[in-house]
Amino acid sequence: QVQLKESGPGLVQPSQTLSLTCTVSGFSLTSYNVHWVRQPPGKGLEWMGRMRYNGDTSYNSALKSRLSISRDTSKNQVFLKMNSLQTDDTGTYYCTSKNNLDYWGQGVMVTVSS
Amino acid sequence: DIQMTQSPSLLSASVGDRVTINCKASQNINKYLNWYQQKLGEAPKLLIYNTNNLQTGIPSRFSGSGSGTDYTLTISSLQPEDFGTYFCFQHNSWPNTFGAGTKLELK
Repeated sequence: QVQLKESGPGLVQPSQTLSLTCTVSGFSLTSYNVHWVRQPPGKGLEWMGRMRYNGDTSYNSALKSRLSISRDTSKNQVFLKMNSLQTDDTGTYYCTSKNNLDYWGQGVMVTVSS
Repeated sequence: DIQMTQSPSLLSASVGDRVTINCKASQNINKYLNWYQQKLGEAPKLLIYNTNNLQTGIPSRFSGSGSGTDYTLTISSLQPEDFGTYFCFQHNSWPNTFGAGTKLELK
């Protein structure tokens, strides 16, 4: 069945780089886009960017200078890297995919703190 | 970027009530508008896609409508399990954007 699972460090120091992995199963990365969405504690959802099925990427304008999304289709994984992290980057990070973003990972909580 | 203005931000209602949540886009999004429900500690759940298409497994008391820049989610008869936060999401153009959310609470 379709599954997505985010993984990565729970704690990142300010100014450092966040690296997250979304591992998918039950579908092919060459058939569906995978998006990253984040949510600060107690706040709304923010679309961060997406890896298209053909390898193209799109990014949130506000994050574009710090954000990179890549993939390894042989491992069914999509990667998010975001540099220069600050405390307001704290939150839960989700990957989501398939038709109309109907499948979501459980999310991974990332805290930016020294 | 397309801005999504969602209203109200907080909605107090009772079981059995009919409720509506609105989203207004800053430009035409050609009905590429989804609605999600999120409960505390959980990932969002897709309810409605492309304005008025009910996702598989979602009760028929949920419906969506709209066109152009204005869109509405309606719950015809609120059930206890419907309380939570609702978000609209436009996927007409990049970057995609979410509305700020509507918290639906028990009156």
